[in-house]
Amino acid sequence: ETGVTQTPRHLVMGMTNKKSLKCEQHLGHNAMYWYKQSAKKPLELMFVYSLEERVENNSVPSRFSPECPNSSHLFLHLHTLQPEDSALYLCASSQDGARQNEQFFGPGTRLTVL
Amino acid sequence: AQSVAQPEDQVNVAEGNPLTVKCTYSVSGNPYLFWYVQYPNRGLQFLLKYITGDNLVKGSYGFEAEFNKSQTSFHLKKPSALVSDSALYFCAVRDWRNYGGSQGNLIFGKGTKLSVKP
Repeated sequence: ETGVTQTPRHLVMGMTNKKSLKCEQHLGHNAMYWYKQSAKKPLELMFVYSLEERVENNSVPSRFSPECPNSSHLFLHLHTLQPEDSALYLCASSQDGARQNEQFFGPGTRLTVL
Repeated sequence: AQSVAQPEDQVNVAEGNPLTVKCTYSVSGNPYLFWYVQYPNRGLQFLLKYITGDNLVKGSYGFEAEFNKSQTSFHLKKPSALVSDSALYFCAVRDWRNYGGSQGNLIFGKGTKLSVKP
Protein backbone atom coordinates (compact mmCIF):
# COMPACT_ATOMS: atom_id res chain seq x y z
CA GLU A 1 0.00 0.00 0.00
CA THR A 2 2.97 2.37 0.16
CA GLY A 3 2.54 3.05 -3.57
CA VAL A 4 -0.52 5.20 -2.86
CA THR A 5 -0.72 7.18 0.36
CA GLN A 6 -3.64 9.10 1.81
CA THR A 7 -3.80 11.68 4.59
CA PRO A 8 -5.35 12.01 7.02
CA ARG A 9 -6.38 8.43 7.81
CA HIS A 10 -9.23 9.61 10.02
CA LEU A 11 -11.15 12.89 9.96
CA VAL A 12 -14.03 14.14 12.06
CA MET A 13 -15.64 17.36 10.96
CA GLY A 14 -18.73 19.43 11.57
CA MET A 15 -21.14 20.32 8.82
CA THR A 16 -19.82 23.88 8.58
CA ASN A 17 -16.14 22.97 8.40
CA LYS A 18 -13.85 23.01 5.40
CA LYS A 19 -11.25 20.29 5.10
CA SER A 20 -9.19 18.58 2.43
CA LEU A 21 -8.18 15.00 1.77
CA LYS A 22 -4.83 14.34 0.16
CA CYS A 23 -3.64 11.48 -2.01
CA GLU A 24 -0.18 10.87 -3.40
CA GLN A 25 0.94 8.11 -5.71
CA HIS A 26 4.56 7.02 -6.12
CA LEU A 27 4.01 4.63 -9.01
CA GLY A 28 4.48 6.91 -11.98
CA HIS A 29 0.85 6.51 -13.03
CA ASN A 30 -1.03 9.05 -15.10
CA ALA A 31 -4.61 8.50 -13.90
CA MET A 32 -6.09 9.01 -10.43
CA TYR A 33 -9.49 8.31 -8.93
CA TRP A 34 -11.64 9.17 -5.91
CA TYR A 35 -14.10 6.55 -4.64
CA LYS A 36 -16.63 6.64 -1.82
CA GLN A 37 -17.18 3.45 0.16
CA SER A 38 -20.25 3.30 2.36
CA ALA A 39 -21.36 0.33 4.41
CA LYS A 40 -23.20 -2.34 2.40
CA LYS A 41 -23.03 -0.37 -0.85
CA PRO A 42 -20.85 -0.85 -3.93
CA LEU A 43 -17.86 1.40 -4.36
CA GLU A 44 -19.00 4.66 -5.88
CA LEU A 45 -16.69 6.25 -8.41
CA MET A 46 -16.67 10.00 -7.74
CA PHE A 47 -14.00 11.57 -9.93
CA VAL A 48 -11.43 10.50 -12.49
CA TYR A 49 -8.38 12.43 -13.59
CA SER A 50 -6.37 11.38 -16.61
CA LEU A 51 -3.21 13.30 -17.45
CA GLU A 52 -4.24 15.84 -14.80
CA GLU A 53 -7.51 16.54 -16.57
CA ARG A 54 -10.84 15.70 -14.98
CA VAL A 55 -12.59 13.24 -17.25
CA GLU A 56 -15.36 12.01 -14.99
CA ASN A 57 -17.62 13.69 -12.50
CA ASN A 58 -20.10 11.09 -11.49
CA SER A 59 -23.01 13.29 -10.40
CA VAL A 60 -21.19 14.23 -7.23
CA PRO A 61 -22.61 17.12 -5.14
CA SER A 62 -20.71 20.37 -5.41
CA ARG A 63 -19.77 20.22 -1.73
CA PHE A 64 -17.04 17.84 -2.96
CA SER A 65 -14.41 19.58 -5.06
CA PRO A 66 -11.45 17.68 -6.53
CA GLU A 67 -8.09 19.09 -7.50
CA CYS A 68 -5.23 17.44 -9.36
CA PRO A 69 -2.22 19.79 -9.50
CA ASN A 70 0.04 17.15 -11.07
CA SER A 71 -0.01 13.46 -11.94
CA SER A 72 1.23 12.43 -8.48
CA HIS A 73 -1.18 14.38 -6.28
CA LEU A 74 -4.92 14.43 -5.89
CA PHE A 75 -7.01 16.39 -3.40
CA LEU A 76 -10.63 16.29 -2.38
CA HIS A 77 -11.82 19.55 -0.86
CA LEU A 78 -14.81 19.26 1.45
CA HIS A 79 -17.19 21.96 2.62
CA THR A 80 -20.63 22.06 4.25
CA LEU A 81 -20.89 18.28 4.27
CA GLN A 82 -23.87 16.28 5.48
CA PRO A 83 -23.89 13.37 7.94
CA GLU A 84 -24.68 10.99 5.07
CA ASP A 85 -21.30 11.89 3.58
CA SER A 86 -19.63 9.92 6.37
CA ALA A 87 -17.77 7.09 4.65
CA LEU A 88 -14.38 5.72 3.70
CA TYR A 89 -12.88 7.75 0.86
CA LEU A 90 -10.46 5.82 -1.29
CA CYS A 91 -7.95 7.13 -3.74
CA ALA A 92 -6.57 4.97 -6.55
CA SER A 93 -4.18 5.32 -9.47
CA SER A 94 -3.47 3.45 -12.66
CA GLN A 95 -1.44 3.68 -15.80
CA ASP A 96 -4.01 4.89 -18.27
CA GLY A 97 -4.05 4.12 -21.96
CA ALA A 98 -4.30 0.36 -21.52
CA ARG A 99 -7.63 -1.12 -20.56
CA GLN A 100 -6.11 -4.16 -18.86
CA ASN A 101 -4.23 -2.20 -16.22
CA GLU A 102 -5.38 -2.62 -12.66
CA GLN A 103 -5.88 0.20 -10.19
CA PHE A 104 -3.81 0.56 -7.06
CA PHE A 105 -5.58 1.83 -3.96
CA GLY A 106 -4.55 3.86 -0.96
CA PRO A 107 -5.61 2.92 2.59
CA GLY A 108 -8.44 5.43 2.62
CA THR A 109 -9.59 8.29 4.82
CA ARG A 110 -12.35 7.45 7.29
CA LEU A 111 -14.55 10.56 7.34
CA THR A 112 -17.15 11.24 10.01
CA VAL A 113 -19.45 14.23 9.63
CA LEU A 114 -21.18 15.30 12.82
CA ALA B 1 -26.03 -1.83 -18.97
CA GLN B 2 -22.67 -2.93 -17.65
CA SER B 3 -22.72 -4.45 -14.18
CA VAL B 4 -21.16 -6.84 -11.72
CA ALA B 5 -23.10 -9.04 -9.31
CA GLN B 6 -21.80 -10.74 -6.22
CA PRO B 7 -24.81 -12.76 -5.10
CA GLU B 8 -23.52 -13.59 -1.62
CA ASP B 9 -23.14 -10.98 1.10
CA GLN B 10 -21.16 -13.44 3.21
CA VAL B 11 -19.38 -16.76 2.74
CA ASN B 12 -18.41 -18.91 5.72
CA VAL B 13 -15.72 -21.57 5.37
CA ALA B 14 -13.80 -23.78 7.76
CA GLU B 15 -10.03 -23.46 7.68
CA GLY B 16 -8.49 -25.98 5.32
CA ASN B 17 -11.61 -26.30 3.19
CA PRO B 18 -11.86 -24.99 -0.35
CA LEU B 19 -13.56 -21.64 -0.83
CA THR B 20 -15.47 -20.03 -3.68
CA VAL B 21 -16.63 -16.43 -3.92
CA LYS B 22 -19.05 -15.89 -6.79
CA CYS B 23 -19.14 -13.14 -9.38
CA THR B 24 -21.18 -12.67 -12.54
CA TYR B 25 -20.91 -9.81 -14.99
CA SER B 26 -22.55 -8.01 -17.87
CA VAL B 27 -20.45 -5.93 -20.27
CA SER B 28 -20.80 -4.40 -23.72
CA GLY B 29 -17.25 -5.23 -24.83
CA ASN B 30 -14.62 -7.83 -24.00
CA PRO B 31 -14.82 -8.79 -20.32
CA TYR B 32 -11.73 -7.57 -18.52
CA LEU B 33 -12.27 -8.86 -14.98
CA PHE B 34 -10.56 -8.18 -11.68
CA TRP B 35 -10.61 -9.39 -8.07
CA TYR B 36 -9.61 -7.23 -5.12
CA VAL B 37 -9.40 -7.94 -1.40
CA GLN B 38 -9.93 -5.46 1.43
CA TYR B 39 -8.75 -6.13 4.96
CA PRO B 40 -10.24 -4.13 7.84
CA ASN B 41 -9.27 -0.46 7.81
CA ARG B 42 -7.24 -0.91 4.64
CA GLY B 43 -7.60 -0.04 0.98
CA LEU B 44 -8.30 -2.54 -1.77
CA GLN B 45 -5.48 -4.84 -2.84
CA PHE B 46 -5.31 -6.30 -6.33
CA LEU B 47 -5.47 -10.11 -6.40
CA LEU B 48 -5.74 -11.14 -10.04
CA LYS B 49 -7.23 -10.31 -13.42
CA TYR B 50 -8.50 -11.95 -16.57
CA ILE B 51 -7.84 -10.21 -19.85
CA THR B 52 -7.50 -12.99 -22.40
CA GLY B 53 -6.08 -16.49 -22.76
CA ASP B 54 -6.30 -19.31 -20.23
CA ASN B 55 -9.64 -19.35 -18.42
CA LEU B 56 -7.97 -20.21 -15.12
CA VAL B 57 -6.09 -17.25 -13.73
CA LYS B 58 -3.69 -17.53 -10.80
CA GLY B 59 -3.09 -14.63 -8.45
CA SER B 60 -1.69 -13.57 -5.11
CA TYR B 61 -1.91 -15.51 -1.82
CA GLY B 62 -2.85 -18.80 -3.55
CA PHE B 63 -6.06 -17.46 -5.05
CA GLU B 64 -7.25 -18.30 -8.54
CA ALA B 65 -10.30 -17.46 -10.58
CA GLU B 66 -12.08 -19.22 -13.39
CA PHE B 67 -13.50 -17.28 -16.32
CA ASN B 68 -16.60 -18.85 -17.83
CA LYS B 69 -17.86 -16.99 -20.88
CA SER B 70 -21.06 -18.99 -21.36
CA GLN B 71 -22.12 -18.40 -17.76
CA THR B 72 -20.67 -14.85 -17.68
CA SER B 73 -18.98 -15.73 -14.41
CA PHE B 74 -15.60 -15.13 -12.82
CA HIS B 75 -15.62 -16.99 -9.51
CA LEU B 76 -12.73 -16.64 -7.07
CA LYS B 77 -11.36 -19.86 -5.59
CA LYS B 78 -8.77 -21.19 -3.21
CA PRO B 79 -8.11 -24.90 -2.58
CA SER B 80 -7.45 -24.53 1.16
CA ALA B 81 -8.70 -21.51 3.13
CA LEU B 82 -6.74 -19.79 5.87
CA VAL B 83 -8.10 -17.79 8.80
CA SER B 84 -6.04 -14.88 7.49
CA ASP B 85 -8.07 -14.94 4.24
CA SER B 86 -11.01 -13.47 6.18
CA ALA B 87 -11.71 -10.14 4.47
CA LEU B 88 -14.01 -8.36 2.04
CA TYR B 89 -13.66 -9.43 -1.59
CA PHE B 90 -14.64 -7.31 -4.58
CA CYS B 91 -15.12 -8.35 -8.17
CA ALA B 92 -14.80 -5.65 -10.84
CA VAL B 93 -15.18 -5.34 -14.59
CA ARG B 94 -13.65 -2.82 -16.96
CA ASP B 95 -16.09 -0.08 -17.90
CA TRP B 96 -16.04 0.19 -21.68
CA ARG B 97 -17.56 3.63 -21.85
CA ASN B 98 -14.95 6.18 -22.79
CA TYR B 99 -14.49 9.30 -20.72
CA GLY B 100 -12.23 11.58 -22.65
CA GLY B 101 -8.78 10.03 -22.55
CA SER B 102 -9.44 7.75 -19.61
CA GLN B 103 -9.78 4.04 -20.25
CA GLY B 104 -9.21 2.79 -16.75
CA ASN B 105 -12.61 2.94 -15.07
CA LEU B 106 -13.83 -0.12 -13.19
CA ILE B 107 -17.32 -1.15 -12.14
CA PHE B 108 -17.29 -2.90 -8.75
CA GLY B 109 -19.62 -5.40 -7.17
CA LYS B 110 -20.95 -4.72 -3.69
CA GLY B 111 -18.45 -7.08 -2.09
CA THR B 112 -18.59 -10.45 -0.33
CA LYS B 113 -17.42 -10.89 3.22
CA LEU B 114 -15.39 -14.07 3.62
CA SER B 115 -15.17 -15.54 7.10
CA VAL B 116 -12.80 -18.44 7.68
CA LYS B 117 -13.16 -20.18 11.04
CA PRO B 118 -10.41 -22.28 12.68
